[in-house]
Amino acid sequence: AQKITQTQPGMFVQEKEAVTLDCTYDTSDQSYGLFWYKQPSSGEMIFLIYQGSYDEQNATEGRYSLNFQKARKSANLVISASQLGDSAMYFCAMSYFGNEKLTFGTGTRLTIIP
Amino acid sequence: DGGITQSPKYLFRKEGQNVTLSCEQNLNHDAMYWYRQDPGQGLRLIYYSQIVNDFQKGDIAEGYSVSREKKESFPLTVTSAQKNPTAFYLCASSMRRGNEAFFGQGTRLTVV
Repeated sequence: AQKITQTQPGMFVQEKEAVTLDCTYDTSDQSYGLFWYKQPSSGEMIFLIYQGSYDEQNATEGRYSLNFQKARKSANLVISASQLGDSAMYFCAMSYFGNEKLTFGTGTRLTIIP
Repeated sequence: DGGITQSPKYLFRKEGQNVTLSCEQNLNHDAMYWYRQDPGQGLRLIYYSQIVNDFQKGDIAEGYSVSREKKESFPLTVTSAQKNPTAFYLCASSMRRGNEAFFGQGTRLTVV
């Protein structure tokens, strides 16, 4: 069974600085996908970025990038030039190819300081 | 606009009562999911369905039931057998062999 670990319960970052949110995963399967979601205080889950286990390049989506280190089973989210609107809970998640149910980590609460 | 609609947004239930949470999607997605989120915790999978008229238990299915009679709809019933039903419930859908899941806005259930 897959397991997702997020070791940072909370982080405070100065506006305009870059921030890295940590995520490690445990699986013996070779075919899987890794996801990051943002959850503002309103509660909705907003998809940010996806990385497939066979993707050779790190995924990027605007200010978001995923630092994928397969051998270390690590999938850290990097947010460049943080903004006040980035303050939210961030969840790392994983699924296997062919079975799209997601397993989530416990999340990191990010607070951007003006 | 395509998306997932959950209703109601807030729901109050008396102990011992069953209650049904609605989830409808118009994204033509095959797979649908129900997650539970408790304060300060991640999401835990209750039930999921990859095709109409078929569904599987997730990690915390006890005290819950679902149906999938239509592709667009995946209602969740919280039964009186669920010992601690107060939580935030999120519905999601995805292509069966796609990537990201799309989420509804959630239903906050409180037992009074």
